[in-house]
Amino acid sequence: DAGITQSPRHKVTETGTPVTLRCHQTENHRYMYWYRQDPGHGLRLIHYSYGVKDTDKGEVSDGYSVSRSKTEDFLLTLESATSSQTSVYFCAISGGTGSYEQYFGPGTRLTVT
Amino acid sequence: EDQVTQSPEALRLQEGESSSLNCSYTVSGLRGLFWYRQDPGKGPEFLFTLYSAGEEKEKERLKATLTKKESFLHITAPKPEDSATYLCAVQAGSVRANNLFFGTGTRLTVIP
Repeated sequence: DAGITQSPRHKVTETGTPVTLRCHQTENHRYMYWYRQDPGHGLRLIHYSYGVKDTDKGEVSDGYSVSRSKTEDFLLTLESATSSQTSVYFCAISGGTGSYEQYFGPGTRLTVT
Repeated sequence: EDQVTQSPEALRLQEGESSSLNCSYTVSGLRGLFWYRQDPGKGPEFLFTLYSAGEEKEKERLKATLTKKESFLHITAPKPEDSATYLCAVQAGSVRANNLFFGTGTRLTVIP
């Protein structure tokens, strides 16, 4: 998985609780992304980062926040989890200029009850 | 509005039976088209990037081609281990920071 780890790999949480997912890379890539994958929707971008402390919103950012204090770590926080946020979350990295392909982590399966 | 449509949604092939998967797109200023393979319970695995119409890329039994409106992933003499979901994604001129827009995938099953 191109030096990308995600933690936890599985989590069950209750509605209304905050949840933080972590993505860690060892490739020193500039760009990092959070996606969610749901049946019938494909992969949808939540937030992305183009450098330390530089982040921006994606297609489905409502209810999510992110932080990147180090090149290697990108955190996704569900501020108050809802059942609609039950999904599989993938982190991806990209090298930037001249290299546009993204490499994905193994995913985190989140269930909100 | 940018759109990526993959067909068929699912495909069952006998081992050795060649076929093609389709990815049609409508985007503003295509910068690249990407193919990924995804196995159940795993993250997508990068296969190919195509940048301009007429370009072709090959890897083992897979060959990807690109026209101005669509891309095909040709699978020649598939084996059971080629069973997976194949995802297509585009990177368009209107999108920032190398963001990708994905189709919903084609689930391929190769029967021994």
